[in-house]
Formats: sequence, C-alpha cells, structure tokens
Amino acid sequence: DAGVIQSPRHEVTEMGQEVTLRCKPISGHNSLFWYRQTMMRGLELLIYFNNNVPIDDSGMPEDRFSAKMPNASFSTLKIQPSEPRDSAVYFCASSTLGRAGGYTFGSGTRLTVV
Amino acid sequence: GEDVEQSLFLSVREGDSSVINCTYTDSSSTYLYWYKQEPGAGLQLLTYIFSNMDMKQDQRLTVLLNKKDKHLSLRIADTQTGDSAIYFCAESIDKIIFGKGTRLHILP
Repeated sequence: DAGVIQSPRHEVTEMGQEVTLRCKPISGHNSLFWYRQTMMRGLELLIYFNNNVPIDDSGMPEDRFSAKMPNASFSTLKIQPSEPRDSAVYFCASSTLGRAGGYTFGSGTRLTVV
Repeated sequence: GEDVEQSLFLSVREGDSSVINCTYTDSSSTYLYWYKQEPGAGLQLLTYIFSNMDMKQDQRLTVLLNKKDKHLSLRIADTQTGDSAIYFCAESIDKIIFGKGTRLHILP
C-alpha cells in the first residue's frame, strides 16, 4: 500500500486566493482526519470523518475552512479566502475505526500564504 | 476535558538512555500512543499501549504507564543520532488527542 497520499506537498499562494488540499486515505480505512501543525499551537485536529460522514468539525477555525469526503478514497480541505495566518503544515491521516493501531499520517502539505 | 502535556525539549548524549514523559487527563483513554516525527515528514506510529497494561517493551523502546497518576513515559535505550526527532504522546477515546511534542536533541 502506498500509504496516505497528500497533494500538493508544497503550496504558495497569495492572500485572498482559494486553496484546495487533497488526501487519499489508505484503502480499507474508514476514518479520515485533517490536522494542522504550527510551531505555536502544535498539532490541531480540524475535522474527522467516519465512513465519509463528518463527525466532529469543532476544530475548523472559521467558515473560510471547509472539508469534504465525497467517497471512501478521497477528501479535500478548502480554504477560501486564504490568509497569511493559515500558513502551516496540513496533515491528513486515516485509520480503521475501533482498531488499536492508531492513525497513519500522510507527508503533509506545507502551505504558505503571502 | 482531554489534554496531553509533555515537555518541549530534551537533550541526551549519544549512547545514553532518553526518557520522554507525558501526562494526560482522561482516565477513560483506551490506548496511549507514541509517535515520532522526523523533519519534513508526517507522524509515524512508534508504539502504543493498551490502558490495562503497565509496561510494553519493543527492542530499544520501553513504554511505562502509570494509570493512577495518568503518566506515560517512553524510554529509548542507547540513543542514536537517528533518534533525533519530535516525539508525540497521544491518548485515544473516540479520537486521538496529541501533545505538543518533545524535541529530542542528541549530543555527540
């Protein structure tokens, strides 16, 4: 298995632009998580899905952020409009609901908003 | 509420043992985890322990769990330069909650 695949690896965009981050979870995993990592706040859970259904989006910072999971093999995190304070590394992770093995993380997308 | 605390930095001489400590708040945590993050990479699961265990050993790694004090530790024996990374403690109930990570620095 190729693991959790995120794209792009790096994104530089101008303030006000729309940004879309993509994630392909591990086949067979039924839970998907979006995290944001910054030096100041560490690793923050933004939203997670079980069986493609959003379960908890309380970590989504503002209405500018939205996430979708149209099917079991794809999810997007969109920021519109983007702001410089959104600059961070965004990680996607997947797991099998109820199993002990923890989450498998992707390599992340480093977002820079200028 | 759920919260996981760990110190931010640890420096250890090569060849010595590293001990990274963590406290958590939710006594109903089912599993507790240690993840490792190398520069430019995602988090990688190192090991985990079920809440009814008090110790788990895996090669150079030893995890100790004190459920009464809600204290978890990770001991790395014979620390090598390749162990230099950020180590995250995490607890799991319905979702995994991570600490802010301990940056392990290896001194020559």
